[in-house]
Amino acid sequence: GQSLEQPSEVTAVEGAIVQINCTYQTSGFYGLSWYQQHDGGAPTFLSYNALDGLEETGRFSSFLSRSDSYGYLLLQELQMKDSASYFCAVPGGKLIFGQGTELSVKP
Amino acid sequence: DTEVTQTPKHLVMGMTNKKSLKCEQHMGHRAMYWYKQKAKKPPELMFVYSYEKLSINESVPSRFSPECPNSSLLNLHLHALQPEDSALYLCASSQSTSGFPYNEQFFGPGTRLTVL
Repeated sequence: GQSLEQPSEVTAVEGAIVQINCTYQTSGFYGLSWYQQHDGGAPTFLSYNALDGLEETGRFSSFLSRSDSYGYLLLQELQMKDSASYFCAVPGGKLIFGQGTELSVKP
Repeated sequence: DTEVTQTPKHLVMGMTNKKSLKCEQHMGHRAMYWYKQKAKKPPELMFVYSYEKLSINESVPSRFSPECPNSSLLNLHLHALQPEDSALYLCASSQSTSGFPYNEQFFGPGTRLTVL
C-alpha cells in the first residue's frame, strides 16, 4: 500500500521557523508535493520535489531525501496567515495525501 | 485563467432529493477529479476523469454519479444520500494524470453539502 506520515499539529509563534516532516511509503515514487489549505478553503499547491535537495520559493522551502523516504516543508518568518493545514502528497495517476498537519501561528 | 469554479457553494438536501454539483475549468486540462473531504481530514479521492473518460472510481457508492459532458465541465449527480455523506466536495483539474512530469492539481473552492 501507500502511506504518508506527518505530524497532526504544530504550533509556532509569528516570526519563527517551523518544519513539517513527511515520511512516505509508496510504490512508483515520482516525487513529493505539498499543499496548503486554509480552514473552509481549497487546497493550493505550494511546492514539488522530484529530486533530492532543497527547493526554495520565497518564505517556503521543501526538501526531499529519496533514500530516506523523507521530506519536509520549511516555513520561515511565520505570519498569522500561515495558520492552515499542510498536506504532503505523492502523485501518479492519482494524488495520495498525508493526513495533514494543522499549523497554528500565535502572536 | 487558472481558476476552477464550483457551484453551488452550499447545498442542503434531504435523503430523497436529487441534486447535482457542477465544476468548470478553462485551463485546457484533460484530467478532472472529484474529492470528498471531512473536517480535519485530507481530501479523499472519489473519481478521476482523463480525456473525458472515467479512469478511476474509488469504489464510491452508486448514489454518487459523475458525468463529464466535455473537457471543461464535470458534474456530480447526487441521489438518495445519507447524512454521513455530508462533507465538502472538491473538484480539481490538472494537465493530465501522469505522475511525471508533475501535474499540479488546481482545486475549486468546493461545495459544502449537508444531508438532512
